[in-house]
Amino acid sequence: AQTVTQSQPEMSVQEAETVTLSCTYDTSENNYYLFWYKQPPSRQMILVIRQEAYKQQNATENRFSVNFQKAAKSFSLKISDSQLGDTAMYFCAFAGAGSYQLTFGKGTKLSVIP
Amino acid sequence: NAGVTQTPKFQVLKTGQSMTLQCAQDMNHEYMSWYRQDPGMGLRLIHYSVGAGITDQGEVPNGYNVSRSTTEDFPLRLLSAAPSQTSVYFCATKIGTGAGEQYFGPGTRLTVT
Repeated sequence: AQTVTQSQPEMSVQEAETVTLSCTYDTSENNYYLFWYKQPPSRQMILVIRQEAYKQQNATENRFSVNFQKAAKSFSLKISDSQLGDTAMYFCAFAGAGSYQLTFGKGTKLSVIP
Repeated sequence: NAGVTQTPKFQVLKTGQSMTLQCAQDMNHEYMSWYRQDPGMGLRLIHYSVGAGITDQGEVPNGYNVSRSTTEDFPLRLLSAAPSQTSVYFCATKIGTGAGEQYFGPGTRLTVT
């Protein structure tokens, strides 16, 4: 069974600064997908970014980028130029290539301070 | 295009009562699923369906039933609610089969007293 670990329950960052959220995972699979989801106070789960394990290039979406280290089984999220609207819970999630199930970490609560 | 919709948004039940959480999608996605989210936890899979007439259990299926008679709808039934089922419930859909990002509904907050 896969496990996903987010070791930072809470973090804070000053507006306009950069913050990195950590995620590690454990799997015996070689092909899989990794995701970061954002959950603002509205409760809606919003996909931030995805990474396919077979791609060596790190995914980027505007101010959001990942550092994917397959050998180390690490998948961190970097948020640049933090904005007040980035305040939310962030969940790291894993899906095996042949699996329908998303396995989530316990989340990191990020607060952006004005 | 409403995406994934869930009703109700909030519900309070007494122990032993039954109810159905509704989930509907208009994206013609084959895959639909139900997750629960508890404080301090990530989301955990309850049941999922890969198409009409096909359902299977996830990580935490006990106490819940599902059926899938149409592509659009995937209701979750609690036959005899228990306080341990107090949680936020999310429905999610995905294009096709296999892995990939899932699209989530707005969630239902359920309290069982």
